[in-house]
Amino acid sequence: DVKVTQSSRYLVKRTGEKVFLECVQDMDHENMFWYRQDPGLGLRLIYFSYDVKMKEKGDIPEGYSVSREKKERFSLILESASTNQTSMYLCASSLYPTGEKLFFGSGTQLSVL
Amino acid sequence: KQEVTQIPAALSVPEGENLVLNCSFTDSAIYNLQWFRQDPGKGLTSLLLIQSSQREQTSGRLNASLDKSSGRSTLYIAASQPGDSATYLCAKRWSGGSNYKLTFGKGTLLTVNP
Repeated sequence: DVKVTQSSRYLVKRTGEKVFLECVQDMDHENMFWYRQDPGLGLRLIYFSYDVKMKEKGDIPEGYSVSREKKERFSLILESASTNQTSMYLCASSLYPTGEKLFFGSGTQLSVL
Repeated sequence: KQEVTQIPAALSVPEGENLVLNCSFTDSAIYNLQWFRQDPGKGLTSLLLIQSSQREQTSGRLNASLDKSSGRSTLYIAASQPGDSATYLCAKRWSGGSNYKLTFGKGTLLTVNP
């Protein structure tokens, strides 16, 4: 089975800190995604990447950036964390951009104080 | 704007009951539809994926159907068990424009009581 691993299960940061969320997949998937999930708002796409060093903005990219230097690793960066970025962050991957199942990591619950 | 709606938001049933979860979406230009399960505080697990050319998919006690013309998908769970308790989300991938994105519904929280 595909394994998508997020480095931290829970994270607590201070306002203004630079935050890195790491995600690694072990199945040579081309495509990787970062979502955030908030009560009442559902899942919203932040960024996705369809190849190494390639990235595309999702629906809510403001305040975030991403890095994909290697195929298996996709990092989400909060340049200057704010309290409204407190959320559950979910990483996902798929083999092809279309027509394939999406596999998710276990999530990182980030609290910004 | 692509929208996916799941009704009801929450459902509670006794063990052993057959049940149906509903997912409706705007715009019939659908590429595929995927059903997920999410346990509290966890990530999403893919259950079934239905391509636009298909009408249904089955896996064990789960059966998902797709009706593009009416903009609806249903997830049927047979002989429900307490272990089925979770939030179930559907997500539509649409054709035309970017094929890389999904639009998720907000989910139905299912509780199966022993």
